[in-house]
Amino acid sequence: DAKTTQPPSMDCAEGRAANLPCNHSTISGNEYVYWYRQIHSQGPQYIIHGLKNNETNEMASLIITEDRKSSTLILPHATLRDTAVYYCIVRPRGNYGQNFVFGPGTRLSVLP
Amino acid sequence: KAGVTQTPRYLIKTRGQQVTLSCSPISGHRSVSWYQQTPGQGLQFLFEYFSETQRNKGNFPGRFSGRQFSNSRSEMNVSTLELGDSALYLCASSPTSDPSYEQYFGPGTRLTVT
Repeated sequence: DAKTTQPPSMDCAEGRAANLPCNHSTISGNEYVYWYRQIHSQGPQYIIHGLKNNETNEMASLIITEDRKSSTLILPHATLRDTAVYYCIVRPRGNYGQNFVFGPGTRLSVLP
Repeated sequence: KAGVTQTPRYLIKTRGQQVTLSCSPISGHRSVSWYQQTPGQGLQFLFEYFSETQRNKGNFPGRFSGRQFSNSRSEMNVSTLELGDSALYLCASSPTSDPSYEQYFGPGTRLTVT
């Protein structure tokens, strides 16, 4: 499976956009990019995922570069409740039963 | 729809005992996965069940086992508990094992072994 690299921590001002980068330079054409977040001691929360195209939902936008070697999760208007650890994960398509491999993630602190 | 539920939420056991944790997936979801989270090792995959069959297993000793019932509810069991088994145990459900579907996690069961 492709590995991901994320900065260990980031700060963001409340109300501003939070842009969380993820490097997955060894990703193959059949691997999804998933984003989850985990607020302290709770279960991880699904945010968004994509294969090749950019994706947007009510929580966030996912921007995947054309070569698919990196992606950015965008929280358009960060609030204090967005403070969490954010995980970027690649997951092989078609490999049924293959589960998520979580790295250390990025600890995002939203500051008032 | 109700989310993934896990019981109990907190548990304290003694070394050598065994424990059973329960997970009820989102209605209609047939795949259930289990993960262990510790401060040292992070989130690690234990096993995944789909239609009562174990589809995939992580790198854990045989003391860790699980099963899934016909209603998709799942249990995991840890026998001969060790101090290092203290962790947050998370269950996640998905409609199928297809990796194009996201998994939804429950709140977890926090197990403390003394």
